[in-house]
Parts: sequence; C-alpha cells; structure tokens
Amino acid sequence: AQSVTQLGSHVSVSEGALVLLRCNYSSSVPPYLFWYVQYPNQGLQLLLKYTSAATLVKGINGFEAEFKKSETSFHLTKPSAHMSDAAEYFCAVIQFYNQGGKLIFGQGTELSVKP
Amino acid sequence: EAGVTQFPSHSVIEKGQTVTLRCDPISGHDNLYWYRRVMGKEIKFLLHFVKESKQDESGMPNNRFLAERTGGTYSTLKVQPAELEDSGVYFCASSRRTSGSRVDYEQYFGPGTRLTVT
Repeated sequence: AQSVTQLGSHVSVSEGALVLLRCNYSSSVPPYLFWYVQYPNQGLQLLLKYTSAATLVKGINGFEAEFKKSETSFHLTKPSAHMSDAAEYFCAVIQFYNQGGKLIFGQGTELSVKP
Repeated sequence: EAGVTQFPSHSVIEKGQTVTLRCDPISGHDNLYWYRRVMGKEIKFLLHFVKESKQDESGMPNNRFLAERTGGTYSTLKVQPAELEDSGVYFCASSRRTSGSRVDYEQYFGPGTRLTVT
C-alpha cells in the first residue's frame, strides 16, 4: 500500500523567509507525487506534480519540490514567503488501478506567514 | 472552461435526516471522484466513477452512503440517515478520459461541501 506522511501540522514563517514543508512517501512502485494547496474557502489547487521525469519540479507561485528516492521524500520549498502563501498544503501519492487512480493524501500542513 | 462545481457549499442537518450533495465535473471529464475530510483527519478517497459506472467504491464508509452518476454527467452523493460522524468536507474531483492503458492522473477539485450533522 502507498502512503504519505507530512511532518508538522502547522508551520509558521516570517514574510521573506524560506518555506519548507516536509513530505515522505512509502511506495512499492515508482510513485507519482503531488502537492495541492487549499486557500481559505476554496477548493484544492494543484501546485506541482512529479511523474518520474525531472526530479526537481517547479510549480505555480514560485514553489518547487525535489524528489529524492534515497530519502523517500518530496519536500516543498519556496525561497521567500509571501503573506498570500498562507494556506493549507497537502502532499499526495496516486495509487493506480485499472481505469483509474485515487489520491492518497497526507494529513496536511497549515502554513502561517507572519509580517 | 468551467471548473468542478459542488452544491451546496454548506449544509447543516440533524442526525437522522437525509442530505444529497451534488457535483458537476469539468465538461468532457469521464472520471469523477469523491473524497472526504473529517475534521482533524486526512482527505480520504470515497469512490470513483468512469462515466456512469462505479470503478472503485472501496472508500465508502457504509451503506448509508449512496453515490450515483446518471448519464455520466453530474454525480450525487446521498447520506441517509446522517450520523454525527458524517460531518466533514466532501470534495469532488474530475479528470480526463483514459486512452487505452493511459490513465490521466491530474485531478481537478471542486470547492467542497461542508456538511455539519448536529
């Protein structure tokens, strides 16, 4: 079975500081990994995805994530936090089966950005 | 292109009542998924439709939950009778049709329906 674990349910950073949200996965097959973001009162929006191509993946809003097989990690980073980055972030792995694939989510990490 | 829409955005019902949630996927998306997030927990898969057929309903909690997708367009998720533990946010997602052995893995989510059972 595949799973993801997000370390830290809450992360707080100052505006302009580095954002680092941690995600570790468990998978017996090469994983496809995703980061989603949920802004207040909105749905889930795809930030970026890893699909076995380049290990460093760039997403929207200046976010990027690096797939590290040796560490089974897919941490999300952004060099400089903005107030608008305050949201909840979800790491997910897709579990494929015939005709489909369901997302297996981590617990979510709420990011606060202090002025 | 319109995104995934869900109705209602909020629903407050009493224990024992019935509630029906609706999801309209992106036009042309054959795959439709339902997920749920109970407070304090992770988002969990409920079920998956390919057009009007249920492909995987392994995540449905029990037989109080009934999902349908008539005609392969919009989907409804009925909870009858509702229990307190059914409270949470119900998300719908859709993705494009598959082609041969290729599965389109990018799922587009709706804003969710927040269900509160009192």
